[in-house]
Amino acid sequence: IQMTQSPSTLSASVGDRVTITCRASQSISSWLAWYQQKPGKAPKLLIYKASSLESGVPPRFSGSGSGTQFTLTISSLQPDDFATYYCQHYNDYSPETFGQGTKVEIK
Amino acid sequence: QLQLQESGPGLLKPSETLSLTCTVSGASLSSNNYFWGWIRQPPGKGLEWLGSIYYSGTTYQNPSLKSRITISVDTSNKEFSVRLSSVTAADTAVYFCARQYRLVTIRGPKRGAFHVWGQGTRVTVSS
Repeated sequence: IQMTQSPSTLSASVGDRVTITCRASQSISSWLAWYQQKPGKAPKLLIYKASSLESGVPPRFSGSGSGTQFTLTISSLQPDDFATYYCQHYNDYSPETFGQGTKVEIK
Repeated sequence: QLQLQESGPGLLKPSETLSLTCTVSGASLSSNNYFWGWIRQPPGKGLEWLGSIYYSGTTYQNPSLKSRITISVDTSNKEFSVRLSSVTAADTAVYFCARQYRLVTIRGPKRGAFHVWGQGTRVTVSS
């Protein structure tokens, strides 16, 4: 299963509403996670099962979608949110695969 | 507090075998709620799942690595390991270990998201 994210790069300002899209090459139900990664650091889980917020993650992050189309939304971009975001599908009939990443830059 | 720490050689020559260990502190490996996984990230690139293991020893591997990968667990020493044989420059990457949710469904156990990660260890393959 291939995961395709768009856009690859996104320029935004503090306070902006930001949306990142992830598309699966076939239906994955809701078996999708979103991660945030900063340079030199390990990824951090934000969302699992497409829309469930991981404990400790600010509520400005939200996820939606099912089947093949998913979105990660940051309702009001904060300075700490400039990072690269990855989607990842998980199941037991194909290897876990990640999207290619979306870099959120300061506009 | 759960912590994972990768360890192993940082420099290998082509054709050698990569061997990394992840030491777990602050939690037991012998939990039926989690798998333990390995993920890598080549320089400037995205993330690739290598494989995961359950404390019982059941393993799940990325077919793209074919027969090169071996994952093992040592619950008494609270560590799990990955071995990757016949390395090439393409195996140069930061290697992460992580704890992975184990989901119980009506169709049986299922691998979930990676919710706790180690800091990663850089491995370079060069002659």
